[in-house]
Amino acid sequence: DGGITQSPKYLFRKEGQNVTLSCEQNLNHDAMYWYRQDPGQGLRLIYYSQIVNDFQKGDIAEGYSVSREKKESFPLTVTSAQKNPTAFYLCASSLSGELFFGEGSRLTVL
Amino acid sequence: QKEVEQNSGPLSVPEGAIASLNCTYSDRGSQSFFWYRQYSGKSPELIMFIYSNGDKEDGRFTAQLNKASQYVSLLIRDSQPSDSATYLCAVNIVSGNQFYFGTGTSLTVIP
Repeated sequence: DGGITQSPKYLFRKEGQNVTLSCEQNLNHDAMYWYRQDPGQGLRLIYYSQIVNDFQKGDIAEGYSVSREKKESFPLTVTSAQKNPTAFYLCASSLSGELFFGEGSRLTVL
Repeated sequence: QKEVEQNSGPLSVPEGAIASLNCTYSDRGSQSFFWYRQYSGKSPELIMFIYSNGDKEDGRFTAQLNKASQYVSLLIRDSQPSDSATYLCAVNIVSGNQFYFGTGTSLTVIP
């Protein structure tokens, strides 16, 4: 089945550690996105990529990094520079103007 | 920042009633408009999209768009308890192909 797979679904991290969230899609979509959602809030754009080997910062890119080496994959690294990383992270992809989401990764910093 | 605003609610309606959800946006470059439903702890799922002024109906759902007023709404007819969720409005800015979201409206349908 086609879709977007995020892993892990739940992740616990100690302060000062980097973590990488995986996002893989088999929809053959060109564009991929990372959003962050905090309780009671909407989605805020972290990074997006329209094509392989190219990506742009969204509104809250500080403390995060991404890569887009393959069309299918768009991993997000939450670095120790991100001061408040506990959140629900959503990966999405788009082909013709519609945005489809993975199931999300919930990161908790202990 | 491209602003998309929604009433956070909570909005409560009795079962069988019409639920009306509203959204305004600030960027006149917005080209397409989406409504997502998000159950607690889950990812958003697309329920409606609209590109042109006017109404678009899909089953119990009707999306309405007024670009002159920068306003988009979602009507849910014959509301069911399973419709209880947070509804997110999103707009697509074609230049850059970015999607911006409102903070969501929490809807509770009371049996």
